[in-house]
Amino acid sequence: QQKVQQSPESLSVPEGGMASLNCTSSDRNFQYFWWYRQHSGEGPKALMSIFSDGDKKEGRFTAHLNKASLHVSLHIRDSQPSDSALYFCAAINYAQGLTFGLGTRVSVFP
Amino acid sequence: GGIITQTPKFLIGQEGQKLTLKCQQNFNHDTMYWYRQDSGKGLRLIYYSITENDLQKGDLSEGYDASREKKSSFSLTVTSAQKNEMAVFLCASSPGRANTGQLYFGEGSKLTVL
Repeated sequence: QQKVQQSPESLSVPEGGMASLNCTSSDRNFQYFWWYRQHSGEGPKALMSIFSDGDKKEGRFTAHLNKASLHVSLHIRDSQPSDSALYFCAAINYAQGLTFGLGTRVSVFP
Repeated sequence: GGIITQTPKFLIGQEGQKLTLKCQQNFNHDTMYWYRQDSGKGLRLIYYSITENDLQKGDLSEGYDASREKKSSFSLTVTSAQKNEMAVFLCASSPGRANTGQLYFGEGSKLTVL
């Protein structure tokens, strides 16, 4: 069973719109979460981490964590064509390291 | 800033062949990783190393060997390539020896086995 589950698998968003990505963990040993972004032909790049309940904002990106439900989301405001990419949620457990979800593919259309 | 360089970028092999991928980093990071990325299966950890000459197995280590002879380099060997195998292998590094979750990835090496 996948320990880090992401939804949806893919998402189309109009330019200027809001993209919302979801991630749920089934393991309460995870200490905190990361979001990574991977453009085609490149390696993943870390976007932001979150470990406290509530929101964390970095520019157009806002992550939200609910520790009780082990649910984390990523919201991309004012989506740009350059935001078209594969987004990974990753959860970290100091004993087991980093576990990645399967990813959500975001396409921003004009 | 720093960079992770993976070579080769594309690798074509024959079934049963031993194939080696190389990774260099100039971040001066302690820990290095090899991940495999298959379509629809996310990123799976093959091996990691927290210092020179250290090797730790990940979830997918069977069928692979790794070597960390210098702090800056980490190589991965596919011991016997499987027919029709196609995947991207990603090298990454992180500062320190405790995994905080922030990894720096290379651009990947794409393997195709005929």
